[in-house]
Amino acid sequence: AQSVTQLDSHVSVSEGTPVLLRCNYSSSYSPSLFWYVQHPNKGLQLLLKYTSAATLVKGINGFEAEFKKSETSFHLTKPSAHMSDAAEYFCVSYGGATNKLIFGTGTLLAVQP
Amino acid sequence: GAGVSQTPSNKVTEKGKYVELRCDPISGHTALYWYRQSLGQGPEFLIYFQGTGAADDSGLPNDRFFAVRPEGSVSTLKIQRTERGDSAVYLCASSPTGGENGYTFGSGTRLTVV
Repeated sequence: AQSVTQLDSHVSVSEGTPVLLRCNYSSSYSPSLFWYVQHPNKGLQLLLKYTSAATLVKGINGFEAEFKKSETSFHLTKPSAHMSDAAEYFCVSYGGATNKLIFGTGTLLAVQP
Repeated sequence: GAGVSQTPSNKVTEKGKYVELRCDPISGHTALYWYRQSLGQGPEFLIYFQGTGAADDSGLPNDRFFAVRPEGSVSTLKIQRTERGDSAVYLCASSPTGGENGYTFGSGTRLTVV
C-alpha cells in the first residue's frame, strides 16, 4: 500500500532563512508525489508535483522538492522563508490503482520575524 | 466555473439532523472527489466519482453518509442523523480525468454538529 510520512508536525524558521519540510514515501513502484499548501481558512493549493519526468521539481512561490528514490524521500525546500509562507503543508502520494490522493498528516510551518 | 465551488461554506446543525453539502466542480472535469478533514489532521478520502457513477466509495465511514452526482457535474454529499463526530471540513476536488496530476480543491464546507 502507498503511504507518506511527514517527519515533523511543526517547523519554525526565521524570516529569510531556509525551509526544509521532510517527507518519506512508501510505495511498491515509482509514485506520483505532490506537495499541497493550506493557509488558514483557505482551500488546498497545489505547490508542485513529481510524476517521474525530473527528480528536482520546481513549484510556485520559490518552493522546490527533490525525489530521491534511494532514500524514498521527497523533501520540500525553499532558500528563504517569507512571512506569507506560514501555513500547513501536506505531502501527498497518488495511488494509481485506486486513483486517490493519500495525504500525510501535515507540517505546520511558522515563520518568525 | 473557474474553480471548484462548495456551498455552504459553513453549516451548523443539531445532532440528529440531515445535511446536504454541495460541490460544483470545474467545468469538464469528469473526476470528482470528496474528502473529510478533521481538526489537526490531513484530508481523508471519502468517495470518488468518475462521471455519474461512484467508482470508489470505500472511504465513507458508515451508511449515514451518501453522495450522488446524477448528471456527472454537481455532486451532493448527504449525511443523515448527524453526530458530533461528523464535525469537520468537507473538501471537494475535481480533475480532468484521474488524479495523476493532482486535483483542484474547493475551499470546503465547515460542518459543525452541536
